[in-house]
This record gives sequence, structure tokens and C-alpha cells, in this order.
Amino acid sequence: QQQVKQSPQSLIVQKGGISIINCAYENTAFDYFPWYQQFPGKGPALLIAIRPDVSEKKEGRFTISFNKSAKQFSLHIMDSQPGDSATYFCAASIGGNQGGKLIFGQGTELSVKP
Amino acid sequence: DAGVTQSPTHLIKTRGQQVTLRCSPKSGHDTVSWYQQALGQGPQFIFQYYEEEERQRGNFPDRFSGHQFPNYSSELNVNALLLGDSALYLCASSTAGHSTDTQYFGPGTRLTVL
Repeated sequence: QQQVKQSPQSLIVQKGGISIINCAYENTAFDYFPWYQQFPGKGPALLIAIRPDVSEKKEGRFTISFNKSAKQFSLHIMDSQPGDSATYFCAASIGGNQGGKLIFGQGTELSVKP
Repeated sequence: DAGVTQSPTHLIKTRGQQVTLRCSPKSGHDTVSWYQQALGQGPQFIFQYYEEEERQRGNFPDRFSGHQFPNYSSELNVNALLLGDSALYLCASSTAGHSTDTQYFGPGTRLTVL
């Protein structure tokens, strides 16, 4: 019930295309859903995050879509660029006094071809 | 504004040895979480420290222990190292009570156990 399942494991997209990564969860107590971007040899960097009281959040070329009833959320990268090539992780956590324990998905390795 | 820093960058140990990893949180942050990231996997939560106390713990054995100092910096200690402890160890900092539970990660320490 604590798992977050992420797909696909890898993704190849042409420059200018749309990259879509999906995640699903079971625990309805999760109330914070961040996406992290990780380059080889680096720590994960926060990209964008959403709470379940909204269905969509957009920041630049990155959009999170959230479906509370289906317990699914996804990351859309518009106009994908070669510099977006990295591993992307979705995560979930429960807030409050016990907040901060992030449960990560397995990761998606994105490759954007020029 | 300095981000999360970790030391050392890389470390090589042999089975049975003990290791100490260090983390300094982002300025203004008082909570430190530690994660283990095996190759090709998402980070796994080890534990979290706040006010010099372990506040939460993941499914890791007692060989993994930690400490937080009054200046909010933290150490991760691993005793009786096993080959399976080889991983990237990530430190993340945040602010207790912050509504978004945003965690900022350091670059990690790459531990290799031979």
C-alpha cells in the first residue's frame, strides 16, 4: 500500500515532442506528489509538485495531471529538448507531524533525440 | 545560498567495516532525511532527523544509525558493511512544519563495498 508504481521504465522522444510519464498509488493518505529530475552522478532535483486538491499544475513546459479518483498522476513535458534527457522519479508523501517520508517510483529514463 | 552539501563524494570500503557519511542542510532548514539509492532504482527512505531526534525510520536494519547536531547537520553511520550496502546515499533537507514538505537533495555520497 506504500508503493508508487511508475511507467514506462524508459522513454525515447524526438526533439519537440511530448514526453508522458505515469504513476499510480494505493495509499489515499498521500497528500503531496512531487516529481524529481536526476542527471547521472547528481542528486534528484525537485521539478514540480502537486497536492490532491487540484487536478493540474503547470510550470513552463512541465505539467502534472492528477486524477484523485483513479489514484494516478502523470508528468507531461511539452516541446521536449535534448537537455531534458535524464531520469525522472515520481514520489508521494504524507504530511503533518510525520511528514517528509518520500516514497519514490522506480524511475523513467528519458532520452530526447535531436 | 548554499544548497545541501554532502561529504565525502566517493568512498570505498571492505565488508565488515564501518562508514560515516556527512550532510549539511540547506540554509534555513532544520530537518534532514537520508535515502539509499541502488543503481537503477528510486531512492529508499532510511530515516529522518528533527530536533536531534530520529522522527521516522524506513525498513533498514539497526546497522544503519544516524545523528543530528545542534547546527542541524547530520551523520549517517553504517556498521558491519555488506556488499549490498553499495549505493548512492542521499541527504535531503526540509523545514519542519512547512506545508509543502519540499525536500531538497544533496549530490550524494557514492559508497562502494568490496
